[in-house]
Amino acid sequence: GIQVEQSPPDLILQEGAISTLRCNFSDSVNNLQWFHQNPWGQLINLFYIPSGTKQNGRLSATTVATERYSLLYISSSQTTDSGVYFCAVEAPNFGNEKLTFGTGTRLTIIP
Amino acid sequence: SQTIHQWPATLVQPVGSPLSLECTVEGTSNPNLYWYRQAAGRGLQLLFYSVGIGQISSEVPQNLSASRPQDRQFILSSKKLLLSDSGFYLCAWSVGGSNYEQYFGPGTRLTVT
Repeated sequence: GIQVEQSPPDLILQEGAISTLRCNFSDSVNNLQWFHQNPWGQLINLFYIPSGTKQNGRLSATTVATERYSLLYISSSQTTDSGVYFCAVEAPNFGNEKLTFGTGTRLTIIP
Repeated sequence: SQTIHQWPATLVQPVGSPLSLECTVEGTSNPNLYWYRQAAGRGLQLLFYSVGIGQISSEVPQNLSASRPQDRQFILSSKKLLLSDSGFYLCAWSVGGSNYEQYFGPGTRLTVT
């Protein structure tokens, strides 16, 4: 199946810093989503971004499909941004309508 | 707007007991439905998905099963739980077809003792 790797696995930053999270995938994708899992376990949709760039407030994401990676940026990081961030992809070569998740990046923002 | 419900929120069950987790979606018709399991706080594993009533695809062989008795209802079951079944179970839905976002329910935290 498709391989999805996220880096770094853990990221500890001071409040106000810029967080950069990376997602690499091993094959062509037709769907890519970023999620934030809060301390209660809820997965919050951040971006649906199979290609291009999107911004939502302090968060932005870029997917370069031809080079098989996506980046999630969090500017002016706040303690409430802490949690685990997941990238998930749908690859037509490995079955449509199913997402494969990366192992996540655990972000900790220190006051 | 669409909402997704899961219950119970938490469950503690002894080894060998049966299991039934329920997921329902409101505000949409003929959704794709999914069951995931998350162990140790990382990595979601797709267990089952369904594109319609009575249509279930299994991704991982195990002692769990899934059923979709109604369009917007998805049930995860087991006849006899194992210790290894402990984890966080998440239900998700998406509009049918490819290239659509998946949305997740609040999850059920299962502890098998």
